[in-house]
Amino acid sequence: AQKVTQAQTEISVVEKEDVTLDCVYETRDTTYYLFWYKQPPSGELVFLIRRNSFDEQNEISGRYSWNFQKSTSSFNFTITASQVVDSAVYFCALKVYQLIWGAGTKLIIKP
Amino acid sequence: DTGVSQNPRHKITKRGQNVTFRCDPISEHNRLYWYRQTLGQGPEFLTYFQNEAQLEKSRLLSDRFSAERPKGSFSTLEIQRTEQGDSAMYLCASSSHGTVEQFFGPGTRLTVL
Repeated sequence: AQKVTQAQTEISVVEKEDVTLDCVYETRDTTYYLFWYKQPPSGELVFLIRRNSFDEQNEISGRYSWNFQKSTSSFNFTITASQVVDSAVYFCALKVYQLIWGAGTKLIIKP
Repeated sequence: DTGVSQNPRHKITKRGQNVTFRCDPISEHNRLYWYRQTLGQGPEFLTYFQNEAQLEKSRLLSDRFSAERPKGSFSTLEIQRTEQGDSAMYLCASSSHGTVEQFFGPGTRLTVL
């Protein structure tokens, strides 16, 4: 069975602080994909990144970076110099056959 | 290039009524997915189409739920004899052949009174 755990229900930081959102996954399959999506208050899920299980290379995109570690089954997401516009619910998801989602982490960036 | 669109955006109905939602995927995407999302939770997979064929249905999809994609373009999701527990956000997503990332519409929020 597959499972995604986002242990942080809600995180609140002051603007310009760095913040890391944790994601731990479980699967026995060797081929899988991991995703992060952002859900702002408007409700529409926005695709941020996809990694496959054979590519552990970390990725940076502007203020966003992702750390994929198969040894700990984690795919963590860091926002550097956070901004108020980053406030949203962030979901981590695992795909073997269909997408399995974590419960999400609500990120609040205070001005 | 327009994204995934869903109609209506909001639907309020009385228990026992039937409701139908529509999803228009990104035009070149042949795969279409329906999800349900309740407050404080991640989306839950309901069903998946490749072109007009419904290839997978979740056990969550009771016999009161039916989905169609008759011409391999737009899709409809019907819920018959709605119950209060059906209140949720219904999300549609699409993807193209050979890619795994899915692109989501704005959702239809259903409230059953």
